[in-house]
Amino acid sequence: QQQVKQSPQSLIVQKGGISIINCAYENTAFDYFPWYQQFPGKGPALLIAIRPDVSEKKEGRFTISFNKSAKQFSLHIMDSQPGDSATYFCAASKASNTGKLIFGQGTTLQVKP
Amino acid sequence: DAMVIQNPRYQVTQFGKPVTLSCSQTLNHNVMYWYQQKSSQAPKLLFHYYDKDFNNEADTPDNFQSRRPNTSFCFLDIRSPGLGDAAMYLCATSRDEGAYEQYFGPGTRLTVT
Repeated sequence: QQQVKQSPQSLIVQKGGISIINCAYENTAFDYFPWYQQFPGKGPALLIAIRPDVSEKKEGRFTISFNKSAKQFSLHIMDSQPGDSATYFCAASKASNTGKLIFGQGTTLQVKP
Repeated sequence: DAMVIQNPRYQVTQFGKPVTLSCSQTLNHNVMYWYQQKSSQAPKLLFHYYDKDFNNEADTPDNFQSRRPNTSFCFLDIRSPGLGDAAMYLCATSRDEGAYEQYFGPGTRLTVT
């Protein structure tokens, strides 16, 4: 029940296209859902995050869509660029916990020029 | 810029030789986390400090210890590194426990020979 399942494992998108990464969770107590971007040899960087009281959050080209009833959330990268090529992790945590992030398995995104 | 700093960025140690990794932060955050990340995997939480209170994950081996002498610094001690401990070690901070943003450092790549 603590798992967060992420798909796809890898994704190849053409420059200018839309990249979509999906995550699903079981624990309805989760109330914070961040996305992290990680480049090779670097630490994860917080990209965007959402709480379950909203269904969508947009920051620039990055949008989180959140479906509370389906227990799913997704990251959309609009106008994908080669510089977006990285590994993306979704995660979940709950306020009543210690802040422990439950990570998805990661998605390696390659944006082709 | 407020940030999370990890030293060294690369560390080579011999099998069984104790090693210490360090993390410092200028964010003045209450919580500091240590994660282990192996190749193509998500970060795995080892333990965290909330202020001076130490919280160990149930599955963290005894071989891993941590110290937090003050708000700004936190250390990861590996008492007897094995080949399986070769990984990226990530430090992260958060303003408080619970569902708050975590900010990661660049990581220390540990090699065990």
